Amino acid sequence: GAGVSQSPSNKVTEKGKDVELRCDPISGHTALYWYRQSLGQGLEFLIYFQGNSAPDKSGLPSDRFSAERTGGSVSTLTIQRTQQEDSAVYLCASSWDGYTEAFFGQGTRLTVV
Amino acid sequence: GESVGLHLPTLSVQEGDNSIINCAYSNSASDYFIWYKQESGKGPQFIIDIRSNMDKRQGQRVTVLLNKTVKHLSLQIAATQPGDSAVYFCAETLGGADGLTFGKGTHLIIQP
Repeated sequence: GAGVSQSPSNKVTEKGKDVELRCDPISGHTALYWYRQSLGQGLEFLIYFQGNSAPDKSGLPSDRFSAERTGGSVSTLTIQRTQQEDSAVYLCASSWDGYTEAFFGQGTRLTVV
Repeated sequence: GESVGLHLPTLSVQEGDNSIINCAYSNSASDYFIWYKQESGKGPQFIIDIRSNMDKRQGQRVTVLLNKTVKHLSLQIAATQPGDSAVYFCAETLGGADGLTFGKGTHLIIQP
């Protein structure tokens, strides 16, 4: 597709379950970001992938959160043992090289019940 | 970089007036700056960008001003319209491995 694609668009899960969120960046983009956004609030940085470099994981809120980027393209964000405070919109963005504008997906709205 | 999860400040302007949204960026070495607009239920969208070798850049109805001395970025929107109602974020980067750092965001409300 032409833009950043995220799936699922909505996810409702029970507390304690694991969830996996997927991001398909724009083809050829080397930089990929994950952000979290709670209702009415700003963008909370989670993790940043740039090419083959080790990712910047400094924003991951706990060890229940992890992310992978396979083959420099698709990325998955995994949240283990979900808690209610994990409920938020998870946004993915990609850019050519981390030095140009990042394009965002529409996000995955996660609700933990 | 990260954005603190605080409730967003709000700016309310009358339709047709000009609005100015301000942003204090964090890193004096940042070289590239972007303004994003986020409408309800959507991901942020690019509005305008500026490199550190410039002080001002104009687009259609929008102008970005950069003051590196005080690490300040502003977005001016001329003749605001109802469709301008959104949350506006500034972002900065050194480039390459450093990625984008977002500011806290401002909620712009256009009053009829």
